[in-house]
Amino acid sequence: SAVISQKPSRDICQRGTSLTIQCQVDSQVTMMFWYRQQPGQSLTLIATANQGSEATYESGFVIDKFPISRPNLTFSTLTVSNMSPEDSSIYLCSVEETRNSYEQYFGPGTRLTVT
Amino acid sequence: QKEVEQDPGPLSVPEGAIVSLNCTYSNSAFQYFMWYRQYSRKGPELLMYTYSSGNKEDGRFTAQVDKSSKYISLFIRDSQPSDSATYLCALLGGKLQFGAGTQVVVTP
Repeated sequence: SAVISQKPSRDICQRGTSLTIQCQVDSQVTMMFWYRQQPGQSLTLIATANQGSEATYESGFVIDKFPISRPNLTFSTLTVSNMSPEDSSIYLCSVEETRNSYEQYFGPGTRLTVT
Repeated sequence: QKEVEQDPGPLSVPEGAIVSLNCTYSNSAFQYFMWYRQYSRKGPELLMYTYSSGNKEDGRFTAQVDKSSKYISLFIRDSQPSDSATYLCALLGGKLQFGAGTQVVVTP
């Protein structure tokens, strides 16, 4: 399976600032996703990162708050904008190596704390 | 009501015991059923997946799906301290829906 890395692994940020999280895969993949994992809650899909086009956002998530880029088949970024303490969470990227393989592989996550 | 319900635990068992985990769901559109294992401060790791009712075995792990009851299970035989982790069920019917995860602690 693909090897996925994320940067940073953790960060503490001030309210009102923005943080960009990077996701790098060691091979080309068709699908990349961004999730949020809040304490005691299930993983929630934020958006699907589409290569060469705008990301597809899930209900409750908007581009202005979570802009996403995917310039190629191995890299994506998620920005958490104008942060508030409610954005404190673990952010994970995941990939599907081939379309409709139904197997998603996850990166190690970025632990974000907003003060 | 959540689409996928999973008891958060923690579930504490002695080494060598059988660990029994389960999820219930409400949407009959789910077609694929997966179990992920997540160690502390790590991303989820895919353990097993299946798309039909019945049992699927992989080493010490058995996944069981009962579509008529909308109930899925994961059994871990001969549990080891290294099995201590959070186990998440995930169901696919369009997009992946996760349970909240059950924390398992295997004590030596």
